[in-house]
Amino acid sequence: DAGVIQSPRHEVTEMGQEVTLRCKPISGHNSLFWYRQTMMRGLELLIYFNNNVPIDDSGMPEDRFSAKMPNASFSTLKIQPSEPRDSAVYFCASSFSLSSGNTIYFGEGSWLTVV
Amino acid sequence: RKEVEQDPGPFNVPEGATVAFNCTYSNSASQSFFWYRQDCRKEPKLLMSVYSSGNEDGRFTAQLNRASQYISLLIRDSKLSDSATYLCVVRDTGRRALTFGSGTRLQVQP
Repeated sequence: DAGVIQSPRHEVTEMGQEVTLRCKPISGHNSLFWYRQTMMRGLELLIYFNNNVPIDDSGMPEDRFSAKMPNASFSTLKIQPSEPRDSAVYFCASSFSLSSGNTIYFGEGSWLTVV
Repeated sequence: RKEVEQDPGPFNVPEGATVAFNCTYSNSASQSFFWYRQDCRKEPKLLMSVYSSGNEDGRFTAQLNRASQYISLLIRDSKLSDSATYLCVVRDTGRRALTFGSGTRLQVQP
């Protein structure tokens, strides 16, 4: 079975450029999460969706970050303009629902370097 | 204070040793608990859920103490392949997404 699929796997971009990260959740999963991981701050939740609707975006660092989920099988995380401090691994994850017993499954991550 | 706190380690142990990790959480409303494992440069993967009565999966035992708000993971007979970072994870009744600790790094040595 296909897991959570993310693209690109690696991206190096210049400061000021727009970055778009993409995610396809596991088929049948209704909840989707975007996390960011750095050495300094660990895994941080940025935003999550349930049934394509954003539920909590309080973790989005600032207006330069935006996320969309136009349908059940696709989500994007956009950074515009990008800055060096945005360099991190961005993980997308999905779960069947938000019920307490449901665990979440991660994609392999998008490794972003902003120079 | 962080919502989920862990000793970052590293814990360096010989093969065959027993090692235990603890984790504390700050939100008493937390209702679900997990241990995830993350290998170097890989994504986190579920190791096991943690139940109030405690649970065991092979060499791994997880315990929950709600009164003291801590979770533990015990690994018996450590293998080289157990070397990884172990993440303590909590879900509360309000914020439905998972909150991760910063992880405890384990290095099992031959």
